[in-house]
Amino acid sequence: KAGVTQTPRYLIKTRGQQVTLSCSPISGHRSVSWYQQTPGQGLQFLFEYFSETQRNKGNFPGRFSGRQFSNSRSEMNVSTLELGDSALYLCASRPEPAGSSEQYFGPGTRLTVT
Amino acid sequence: AQTVTQSQPEMSVQEAETVTLSCTYDTSESDYYLFWYKQPPSRQMILVIRQEAYKQQNATENRFSVNFQKAAKSFSLKISDSQLGDAAMYFCAYRRRSSNTGKLIFGQGTTLQVKP
Repeated sequence: KAGVTQTPRYLIKTRGQQVTLSCSPISGHRSVSWYQQTPGQGLQFLFEYFSETQRNKGNFPGRFSGRQFSNSRSEMNVSTLELGDSALYLCASRPEPAGSSEQYFGPGTRLTVT
Repeated sequence: AQTVTQSQPEMSVQEAETVTLSCTYDTSESDYYLFWYKQPPSRQMILVIRQEAYKQQNATENRFSVNFQKAAKSFSLKISDSQLGDAAMYFCAYRRRSSNTGKLIFGQGTTLQVKP
């Protein structure tokens, strides 16, 4: 099985722009979560989607949004980019029902905001 | 709110030796999962080991084992016979069992250096 894929892998944007990141989960996985990783704040949960519905949301401003499609692929969008949004964005998928099952992480998208 | 704390930003170990990474957490819940994840320099996060809070027996995966002390809210990772490939950042993570959420709460991470 192919692993979790994220596109693009690297991205450079300017303050004020918006960006869309994509995540394709492992085939058969219906739950997708997003995390932001920065040196200062570490790994922080952004949101989780299951069956096209947002199931959980972290403490991020409304500029951060996401969605999930019927094929379980997910996108996250950040509008009005700020310098502090520079981070590695990780996507993770897991099967449902999950129980204690692990989450499988993608390689991440490195976003740099200048 | 649940929190996870890793008090060792960096650790080093000699190849073939044993090292223990510390993790403490805070939660008011009784049923949850604990994980150790490894993030090598290539950045792909992978699961090392998991522990279910209701199980008293400590989890073991080959050279990796945990010391789970539920009352003390401690969850340390022991790596035996350390190998060069073990060099990575290690994250301790917590997940609620109820509500079937996938949300992981991570510690700040410990960078492990393995010396040849």
